[in-house]
Amino acid sequence: AQSVAQPEDQVNVAEGNPLTVKCTYSVSGNPYLFWYVQYPNRGLQFLLKYITGDNLVKGSYGFEAEFNKSQTSFHLKKPSALVSDSALYFCAVRVNTGGFKTIFGAGTRLFVKA
Amino acid sequence: SAVISQKPSRDICQRGTSLTIQCQVDSQVTMMFWYRQQPGQSLTLIATANQGSEATYESGFVIDKFPISRPNLTFSTLTVSNMSPEDSSIYLCSVLTSGGPITGELFFGEGSRLTVL
Repeated sequence: AQSVAQPEDQVNVAEGNPLTVKCTYSVSGNPYLFWYVQYPNRGLQFLLKYITGDNLVKGSYGFEAEFNKSQTSFHLKKPSALVSDSALYFCAVRVNTGGFKTIFGAGTRLFVKA
Repeated sequence: SAVISQKPSRDICQRGTSLTIQCQVDSQVTMMFWYRQQPGQSLTLIATANQGSEATYESGFVIDKFPISRPNLTFSTLTVSNMSPEDSSIYLCSVLTSGGPITGELFFGEGSRLTVL
């Protein structure tokens, strides 16, 4: 089955430290991968995506993600975390099951402590 | 990008009643979706709202429970029928804009938080 996994329910980092939010995927065919962020009481916002090309993808708010085909991973990273980055982060994959749809991971809650 | 407005933003409903959620987009979009986010959980796709034809439902979701209308390319409604406490969730309207069905990113409304007593 095609799926995406986020192995950590929660990630805690100190402000100014680098952060990583992990994501692995399982798809047939080419992977089309996305990261979204959900701030409290808000809808999801698109951060970045990997379609093809350079394995390091840069997105909004200083976030980037590294696509690793051999490890089937697409980890979200930021060199220096901000308290305002505290939110719920979702990894997602676009799949074709008789029509294209997006499957979301379980989400990882990021806490950045001042 | 797209600006998506959902109404109501939240509601508290009684068991056995029905509620219709509206989704208005500020531009014409081909693909529109309805997701459910249960408390503390991820997003689950309910259906794809098709303009001018019946919605395409995902496994586990049926038209009698979640009827969807899509009268034009900027508007859709989702009705949650005969509600039970298990229907308490955030319901999210989403659209696919630039990039197409394979690579385009989704844009989301702020959601409709439904509590069923």
